[in-house]
Amino acid sequence: NAGVTQTPKFRILKIGQSMTLQCTQDMNHNYMYWYRQDPGMGLKLIYYSVGAGITDKGEVPNGYNVSRSTTEDFPLRLELAAPSQTSVYFCASSFPRGDRKQYFGPGTRLTVT
Amino acid sequence: AQSVTQLDSQVPVFEEAPVELRCNYSSSVSVYLFWYVQYPNQGLQLLLKYLSGSTLVKGINGFEAEFNKSQTSFHLRKPSVHISDTAEYFCAVSDLDNAGNMLTFGGGTRLMVKP
Repeated sequence: NAGVTQTPKFRILKIGQSMTLQCTQDMNHNYMYWYRQDPGMGLKLIYYSVGAGITDKGEVPNGYNVSRSTTEDFPLRLELAAPSQTSVYFCASSFPRGDRKQYFGPGTRLTVT
Repeated sequence: AQSVTQLDSQVPVFEEAPVELRCNYSSSVSVYLFWYVQYPNQGLQLLLKYLSGSTLVKGINGFEAEFNKSQTSFHLRKPSVHISDTAEYFCAVSDLDNAGNMLTFGGGTRLMVKP
């Protein structure tokens, strides 16, 4: 099992550009999440999904969009990049029941200049 | 809604010394509690969790944590740290009514183990 994989690892964007951060999991988890990590701020939930075709906003959704067409994939879209979106982005997944453990990907470090 | 406060942003400690990383939470409902560890340039890994039962929880790498409901705390401890424990540690909560298993994280504590 590869677990949760994310691409790219690093990216530099210019203000106003768009991009999609990819996230794939091979554990057949129903639940998937996108977080951003800013220094000293912990992780903040951007969006989450409880299954294919179902997504919902987290704490900091502005400036982002998601889709969930399959169980495995949960891409995060930035439409008009802004410097405030410079951050490290983590994707995670979990089973709907049981111990609520979330499995994290290695992260994508994004810089917007 | 919940919140998590990690009282120390950085904790320097010498190798083989004991360490305690503090975590307090607030919630209007019962919660599950977690500690995650993040090694440099990596994602987060689960260290331990409290779901129910014994309030003293043992995790990986010799860490343990104690749930104190009256003080709404879940402090992480290790009796003797190693250089390899240098990492960032995050406390997190998830309320029992949370349909999406969502986590609320604290700001993190950077543990720096010195030789």
